[in-house]
Amino acid sequence: DAGVIQSPRHEVTEMGQEVTLRCKPISGHDYLFWYRQTMMRGLELLIYFNNNVPIDDSGMPEDRFSAKMPNASFSTLKIQPSEPRDSAVYFCASRPKGLGYGYTFGSGTRLTVV
Amino acid sequence: AQSVAQPEDQVNVAEGNPLTVKCTYSVSGNPYLFWYVQYPNRGLQFLLKYITGDNLVKGSYGFEAEFNKSQTSFHLKKPSALVSDSALYFCAVLTESGGSYIPTFGRGTSLIVHP
Repeated sequence: DAGVIQSPRHEVTEMGQEVTLRCKPISGHDYLFWYRQTMMRGLELLIYFNNNVPIDDSGMPEDRFSAKMPNASFSTLKIQPSEPRDSAVYFCASRPKGLGYGYTFGSGTRLTVV
Repeated sequence: AQSVAQPEDQVNVAEGNPLTVKCTYSVSGNPYLFWYVQYPNRGLQFLLKYITGDNLVKGSYGFEAEFNKSQTSFHLKKPSALVSDSALYFCAVLTESGGSYIPTFGRGTSLIVHP
């Protein structure tokens, strides 16, 4: 298994532009999570899905952020319009159903908004 | 609310010496605790977990952690540190959210192993 695959690895965009981050979870994993990592705030959970259904999006910072999971093998996190304070590393993670399973994280997308 | 605290931002240790990365937790009910490691420019990797059973949990790369209920701690340990162990370490506790259990992560501790 190739693990959790995120794209792109790096994204530099201008303020006001739309940004779309992509994630392919591990096949068979029921849960998918989007996290944001910054020096100031550490790791923040943005949203998670269970069987493609969004369960908790209370961590999504504003309406500018949206996430979708149209099928079990693909998810997107969109920021529109982007702002400099959105600059961070965004991680996608997945795990199987069950209390004791650890997460598998992707390598992240480093977003820079200038 | 469930939470974990990692009291040290950074831990420095010489190669070959034992290392400890500290974590304390605050939960209502039974704690489900995890350690993850993050190498530069990489995502977090699962190291080990405590769900129930033996208080000493063994994980990947020679790491282990001791669950101590009376001290509400779950410190990560390794008998002999390697330079390649230098990374960011995260403690996490499972928290109920939307009917599922998801991890709440600590702020992370940077481990630096000197040659």
